[in-house]
Formats: sequence, structure tokens, C-alpha cells
Amino acid sequence: QITLKESGPTLVKPTQTLTLTCTFSGFSLSTSGVGVGWIRQPPGKALEWLALIYWNDDKRYSPSLKSRLTITKDTSKNQVVLTMTNMDPVDTATYYCAHNTPKRPFDYWGQGTLVTVSS
Amino acid sequence: QSALTQPASVSGSPGQSITISCTGTSSDVGSYNLVSWYQQHPGKAPKLMIYEVSKRPSGVSNRFSGSKSGNTASLTISGLQAEDEADYYCCSYAGSSTNWVFGGGTKLTVL
Repeated sequence: QITLKESGPTLVKPTQTLTLTCTFSGFSLSTSGVGVGWIRQPPGKALEWLALIYWNDDKRYSPSLKSRLTITKDTSKNQVVLTMTNMDPVDTATYYCAHNTPKRPFDYWGQGTLVTVSS
Repeated sequence: QSALTQPASVSGSPGQSITISCTGTSSDVGSYNLVSWYQQHPGKAPKLMIYEVSKRPSGVSNRFSGSKSGNTASLTISGLQAEDEADYYCCSYAGSSTNWVFGGGTKLTVL
């Protein structure tokens, strides 16, 4: 049974750096083909893919946010960490992490965590 | 503005069929058979309904089907039920530079 759960601050100030952790179970991020991605959703708006890290440490980023994002993994702890720098109120959103395989993208999702950017 | 274009809303009566379109470009939908569809109920995480254009994960009703023609993918729901009322998002692989793109979402109302 695959489960994922996001954790991190619920409130950050503008210009601060956001750090989110995805803790998962039911799969290993050392298995060939497996990845974990981050997707966000501003209130009332659409989903937006942010970043993805694969079992071999290959990292992919949304071109529009690449300069602000860093994704890392700790295979021994079953965790993936996303950092986003220079946060702005427009970054207010629910942030999800999701299990990924090349042909079945984002087939399991965490419950999401709402991050509000406000001074 | 989302990379993939979906109608903002569609509606249908119980028992009817509806189709939601997802229009991309030759760089995403048109180039890869890696289109997926997600259902999202209010306050809930998205759920994978279709992957690789037309495949259903185990446990997803066969009332849900997917197809693709050129740069446009489609999700069809037959025999509409009240529980199908939700937001639906398409997603496509878009190559090694852009990677994954989502549609703007479609709100399905069951009348």
C-alpha cells in the first residue's frame, strides 16, 4: 500500500524560503523507474507541476520555476524534500507530493498541505 | 494560463455520457501517448483515472474511457452518476525540457 504525506510550515513570509518534506511508504525510491513529484494548486485554481526526482537522482523542474526550486531525496528515510526560494503571495497554494512512474504519472498522491504566503 | 486547454465546465444528466477535451500541441499531447486524467473532489487530492491515453488503473470504473486524436485528448464518462461530479484535469508529458504539463481543469456538474 503506497502512501505519501506532506509536511512543512503552513505560513511563510514573503521572500522567505519554503521547505516541504514528503514522507512515503509502500515503495522504494531506489527502485528503477520510480520517482516522486511535487504539484501545487492555488485556491480555486488548476494543478501545476513543479518538480520530480527519480530513483537515479535525475531531477526535473518546471521551466518557469526552475531558478527557485531544489528537490532532493533521502532514500534511507523514505523522504523527498522540496525547497522554493523567494516566496511570494502568489505562491499560496496546496502543495502535493505524488508517486510517479514513467507510464503511470502521479498515480498516488499525498493529502496535500496548504501553504499561505503572507506578512 | 495552463499549457493544456480544457473547457471550464461541462454538465450532463444521470445516465448520460459526456466528453471532456484536452487540447495541447505537437510538443506534448501530439507527440506522446502519455496523457493521464485525474478526478478531484472538493477538498480532496486528485485521483488517477486514466493513464497512457486510455488505460484504467485497477478499481476505476469502466464507465471512464480515454482517447486521443492529434493534439487533442478526450475523457468520456458514460452512464453519469452523481458521484462523478468533480473537477477533472488532464496531464501530458511534454519532453525532457518541459516534462509534465496539466490542463486548466473542467468542472463536471451532474444535473
